[in-house]
Amino acid sequence: AQTVTQSQPEMSVQEAETVTLSCTYDTSENNYYLFWYKQPPSRQMILVIRQEAYKQQNATENRFSVNFQKAAKSFSLKISDSQLGDTAMYFCAFRANSGYALNFGKGTSLLVTP
Amino acid sequence: NAGVMQNPRHLVRRRGQEARLRCSPMKGHSHVYWYRQLPEEGLKFMVYLQKENIIDESGMPKERFSAEFPKEGPSILRIQQVVRGDSAAYFCASSPGAIATSQPQHFGDGTRLSIL
Repeated sequence: AQTVTQSQPEMSVQEAETVTLSCTYDTSENNYYLFWYKQPPSRQMILVIRQEAYKQQNATENRFSVNFQKAAKSFSLKISDSQLGDTAMYFCAFRANSGYALNFGKGTSLLVTP
Repeated sequence: NAGVMQNPRHLVRRRGQEARLRCSPMKGHSHVYWYRQLPEEGLKFMVYLQKENIIDESGMPKERFSAEFPKEGPSILRIQQVVRGDSAAYFCASSPGAIATSQPQHFGDGTRLSIL
């Protein structure tokens, strides 16, 4: 079984600053995918970024980037130049290459302040 | 290019009634997944379906819950004789391909089920 741990229940950051959300996971699989999803107050689930475990290069999507440390089983999300619209719950998720179910962490509530 | 469509957005039921939640996957997607989100929690996998087949229902309670994805029409998650503990947000996701694919699951906006 895979578990995903997000150790920061709440975080806040000032607009235009940078913030890093942490995520660790436990698995015996070697091939898998990692995702960050954003859930704003509207409750939608929006894919922010994804990483294939076999790729050493960290994924980047505009202001969002990840720090993927496979040996440490760590997958943190960095948000640069934070904007008010980034305020949301952020969920880290894991999916084994051999499976299909996403395993989610409990989430980190991020508040961006003016 | 519509995304995953779920309806209703909000559903209120009294204890003992039945709840039916609908999900139409993205165009071209034939794989559907249902997740449940309890308050203050992440999403938990319930069931995975392809057209006319349940592939994995290991995350779904054995009693009162059922799911289907008929050849025509949306996928339906059905909860019979609802209880207060069924209050949650239910999310549907879809993907185009089978397992071992890098295609991410695309989520609908969810159905918030409230039990009075």
